[in-house]
Amino acid sequence: GEDVEQSLFLSVREGDSSVINCTYTDSSSTYLYWYKQEPGAGLQLLTYIFSNMDMKQDQRLTVLLNKKDKHLSLRIADTQTGDSAIYFCAESLPGNTPLVFGKGTRLSVIA
Amino acid sequence: EPEVTQTPSHQVTQMGQEVILRCVPISNHLYFYWYRQILGQKVEFLVSFYNNEISEKSEIFDDQFSVERPDGSNFTLKIRSTKLEDSAMYFCASSGDRATNEKLFFGSGTQLSVL
Repeated sequence: GEDVEQSLFLSVREGDSSVINCTYTDSSSTYLYWYKQEPGAGLQLLTYIFSNMDMKQDQRLTVLLNKKDKHLSLRIADTQTGDSAIYFCAESLPGNTPLVFGKGTRLSVIA
Repeated sequence: EPEVTQTPSHQVTQMGQEVILRCVPISNHLYFYWYRQILGQKVEFLVSFYNNEISEKSEIFDDQFSVERPDGSNFTLKIRSTKLEDSAMYFCASSGDRATNEKLFFGSGTQLSVL
């Protein structure tokens, strides 16, 4: 069945770039998402990319999709302490089936 | 900005007890969902609900679970006889549009601890 994998932890220094990686198994994904969860808060949709795109940029966020390798990444430029959170990768499959999530990557930003 | 509200934020219960987790979706939304995340594991889909009935459910959503929209504003998840393995963070979500998942809004979750 479909599966989404992420590394569990990432630590970066304030001002550096963060790159959070995700791999998925189902090549029929339609959309791929990045959600952010801050302490005590819900899952906030950060950005998403349609599966026929390679890249999407939104201010400090850059999403790269390598469909051949089934690899998705989220780059956060000039990482700030407020970016400390858990970042979830998720995919949706044809027919708008329920989202399939990864375990989440905990990003810690060191001042 | 409209938001999905979940109560309580934390719930502790004894094994075998019934719990009801409550959610107030965004007011004009039509599609409602429950997901859960066991500590250290993935966020998993439980059930989706539309037009006062379950539209889809996962293998996790067995006879111990039920959902209800009792009064047009609340959306509840009931676990009839809780087990230790039901301990998890439960997320409610709602959407006004079934067409695409990017319009899904999540609540902040209820942390359920079964002792």
